[in-house]
Amino acid sequence: AQTVTQSQPEMSVQEAETVTLSCTYDTSESDYYLFWYKQPPSRQMILVIRQEAYKQQNATENRFSVNFQKAAKSFSLKISDSQLGDAAMYFCAHSSPNFGNEKLTFGTGTRLTIIP
Amino acid sequence: DAGITQSPRHKVTETGTPVTLRCHQTENHRYMYWYRQDPGHGLRLIHYSYGVKDTDKGEVSDGYSVSRSKTEDFLLTLESATSSQTSVYFCAISEGWGGQETQYFGPGTRLLVL
Repeated sequence: AQTVTQSQPEMSVQEAETVTLSCTYDTSESDYYLFWYKQPPSRQMILVIRQEAYKQQNATENRFSVNFQKAAKSFSLKISDSQLGDAAMYFCAHSSPNFGNEKLTFGTGTRLTIIP
Repeated sequence: DAGITQSPRHKVTETGTPVTLRCHQTENHRYMYWYRQDPGHGLRLIHYSYGVKDTDKGEVSDGYSVSRSKTEDFLLTLESATSSQTSVYFCAISEGWGGQETQYFGPGTRLLVL
């Protein structure tokens, strides 16, 4: 079974600075997907970024980028130019390819605080 | 926005009573999921559906049942609610194909079992 570990329960960063959230995972598969979801106080789960394991290039989405280290089974999220709206819980998640029925395994989350 | 709604959004009930949560989607997605979110656990899969009347268990299915009689609705039932089922429940759909599969979530239902 896959496991996802987020070792930082809480992080804080000054507004406009850069912060990196850590995630490690355990899987015996060579092909899989990784995700970061954001959960603001509204509780809505919002997809931030996704990464296919077979792609060596790190995914980016505007101010959000990942550092995917497949051999180390590490998938960290970097947020550049942090904004107040980035304050949220961030969850790392893993899924295995299954013809559209990819079930997610989540980490326990990191609460990110933005300091004005 | 993947066109997912959940009802009710909040519910308070008493131990031993049955509870049904509804997930409704408008975009004809085949795969639907129910997760629960608890502090210290992230989100955990309860049940999922891969088509009308096709469902299967997830990681934490004990005490829950599901039904899907039509594509757009996926129901989660707590036959006899217990305090340990106090949680936030999320429905999700899977969208995309060919390596682009991604899950999108509904707004969640907060359930309190007294």
